[in-house]
Amino acid sequence: DTAVSQTPKYLVTQMGNDKSIKCEQNLGHDTMYWYKQDSKKFLKIMFSYNNKELIINETVPNRFSPKSPDKAHLNLHINSLELGDSAVYFCASSQEWPGHSSPLHFGNGTRLTVT
Amino acid sequence: GDSVTQMEGPVTLSEEAFLTINCTYTATGYPSLFWYVQYPGEGLQLLLKATKADDKGSNKGFEATYRKETTSFHLEKGSVQVSDSAVYFCALSDAASDAGKSTFGDGTTLTVKP
Repeated sequence: DTAVSQTPKYLVTQMGNDKSIKCEQNLGHDTMYWYKQDSKKFLKIMFSYNNKELIINETVPNRFSPKSPDKAHLNLHINSLELGDSAVYFCASSQEWPGHSSPLHFGNGTRLTVT
Repeated sequence: GDSVTQMEGPVTLSEEAFLTINCTYTATGYPSLFWYVQYPGEGLQLLLKATKADDKGSNKGFEATYRKETTSFHLEKGSVQVSDSAVYFCALSDAASDAGKSTFGDGTTLTVKP
């Protein structure tokens, strides 16, 4: 059973399109995250939700909008895609509120390529 | 704000060599420290963690000790294998800082040659 699963694994699209990435966790965790990893492997947090409430909202373009229908799901919608959005997007979850000792559990990533 | 500085890569070793990847941190509070490993095409997975000073985390032959006096959490393994080839990330989690979000180092790519 996959603990944190995200779909799709690969996403190739053209500039200007709108796309969504879905994430689900079956660990019973209360907190979920979206991270962006660039081509140099640098990781940057984008958003975090705790029990459906937005708690971390980094400085990302407002073309990126997270949605959490319940605490097991956190989706990412991206409007008007740009070339610079090309990256690998990781969903993650943790048992506790951010800042505590419980580790992050990551999905396998969605590789987004914008042409 | 908090920060994590990792040894720059890439690192290339022969099988059975000794591995050290240095990691130092700055933090507002008393953070928990982690090492994550990312194999090609996969997400990050927890390798080991330590939650207080002098704690030693260990897993799969890897070890790291939380050194508060030197603000370090260096990763070591006595004898690496080809299967250890991956990207390694040092990270901290600090409830006292910036909404508690985790801070990651830039990652160190390790390649082990047979």
